[in-house]
Amino acid sequence: NAGVTQTPKFQVLKTGQSMTLQCAQDMNHNSMYWYRQDPGMGLRLIYYSASEGTTDKGEVPNGYNVSRLNKREFSLRLESAAPSQTSVYFCASSEAFGQGEPSVNEQFFGPGTRLTVL
Amino acid sequence: SNSVKQTGQITVSEGASVTMNCTYTSTGYPTLFWYVEYPSKPLQLLQRETMENSKNFGGGNIKDKNSPIVKYSVQVSDSAVYYCLLGVCVKEEGAQKLVFGQGTRLTINP
Repeated sequence: NAGVTQTPKFQVLKTGQSMTLQCAQDMNHNSMYWYRQDPGMGLRLIYYSASEGTTDKGEVPNGYNVSRLNKREFSLRLESAAPSQTSVYFCASSEAFGQGEPSVNEQFFGPGTRLTVL
Repeated sequence: SNSVKQTGQITVSEGASVTMNCTYTSTGYPTLFWYVEYPSKPLQLLQRETMENSKNFGGGNIKDKNSPIVKYSVQVSDSAVYYCLLGVCVKEEGAQKLVFGQGTRLTINP
């Protein structure tokens, strides 16, 4: 099993350009997530998809759109890139939270995409 | 609101024991995760703490609680960034709140 894969690994954009970051998981997980990682700030949730067909905003959604293409794939789109979006982007997946106990399941992370916007 | 605080940096010598703290505030029942990030590798889960396996949790609405991770007899290869992640299940919304700490950079000197 490959787990969570992300493409591309690296990308350099000019201000105003658009691009889509791809994420796929082969663990049959219901939930998928996009985070950005910035120095001194940890990871911050951009968007998540609790299940196929649903998406919700996280802490920092502005400037991004997402698509849950099917159960396996969850893409992140930057329509008009800005230097403030220079970051490392991580995709993750997990089982949906349990019906009984109010606990959150482990998230499995991809290797990240390093994006630079000039 | 939900929040997480971690110590920014810790440096110790090989063979020492290290405690890394994760102080959190939660508006609901929390799940605490510890992940480690090694250079050029995906985050790996070290520890998951829930109400089931911990006596720390008295219920929802927790303020400034600490959920540390301890590493014994550390080696140079343990040098990495350690992240604490707070997950809060909001069942009435059918949603999860996920908040990372800023990470603790652990450096082990030989």
